[in-house]
Amino acid sequence: DQQVKQNSPSLSVQEGRISILNCDYTNSMFDYFLWYKKYPAEGPTFLISISSIKDKNEDGRFTVFLNKSAKHLSLHIVPSQPGDSAVYFCAARKSGANNLFFGTGTRLTVIP
Amino acid sequence: EADIYQTPRYLVIGTGKKITLECSQTMGHDKMYWYQQDPGMELHLIHYSYGVNSTEKGDLSSESTVSRIRTEHFPLTLESARPSHTSQYLCASSESGQLEAFFGQGTRLTVV
Repeated sequence: DQQVKQNSPSLSVQEGRISILNCDYTNSMFDYFLWYKKYPAEGPTFLISISSIKDKNEDGRFTVFLNKSAKHLSLHIVPSQPGDSAVYFCAARKSGANNLFFGTGTRLTVIP
Repeated sequence: EADIYQTPRYLVIGTGKKITLECSQTMGHDKMYWYQQDPGMELHLIHYSYGVNSTEKGDLSSESTVSRIRTEHFPLTLESARPSHTSQYLCASSESGQLEAFFGQGTRLTVV
C-alpha cells in the first residue's frame, strides 16, 4: 500500500516560470517530509524538508508547502532553470522512525 | 558533497550466481540503508543498520542479506541471483539525529 503518492509522472515548464510538484500522503503519523532530486545515473540528493508543525519552508528558489488537513505537500521552484530538470521524489518519515517512505517521483523538464 | 560510494555501478550476471554489492561511506554515519527501486516506481527500504553488528529488514521483503562489521561498510549479498532481482539498488547513510540521508550513485543489477 503506497503511503506517499506523486500522481504526476512528468511535468514540463518553461524556463523562468514556476514549477509546482505535488505529493499526497495517507499516513497521519508522518512528521517530516523531504524532497529529493535525482539526475540520471546518480543517486537522489536532498533538496529541502519541512516539519509537520510548519506549513511552509523556503530555501532560495525552492519552497515547500504543507497542508496537513489535506495530507498534501507541494514543492515550488521559481524561477525554474534548465538545470532543475530531474526527477523529484517526495519522501516522508513516521514519527519515531528513521527510514523514509518515497513516492514514485515526478520528472521535471524545464524548457529553455 | 556526500562521500558514499557504491560498486559496481552496473552489473549483468547470470542466474544462480552469488553477488555482493558494495557500499562504503566516509562520513562516519551510524545509520545506513539499502533501497531498491524499479523503473518508474518508488524507492523501497529493504535493509537498514543503526550501527556495527546491527541489521534489520526493511519494509519490502528481500532475499538479499546485509552485514555491518565496520561502521563505514554495508555490503548487500544475493546468494543466488534470479531475474526477479533485476533492479536498481541504492545505498544511503545518515547521521544519528539527522533526518536527511545521503545516497550513493546506485548499482543497476540485471540478472539474465
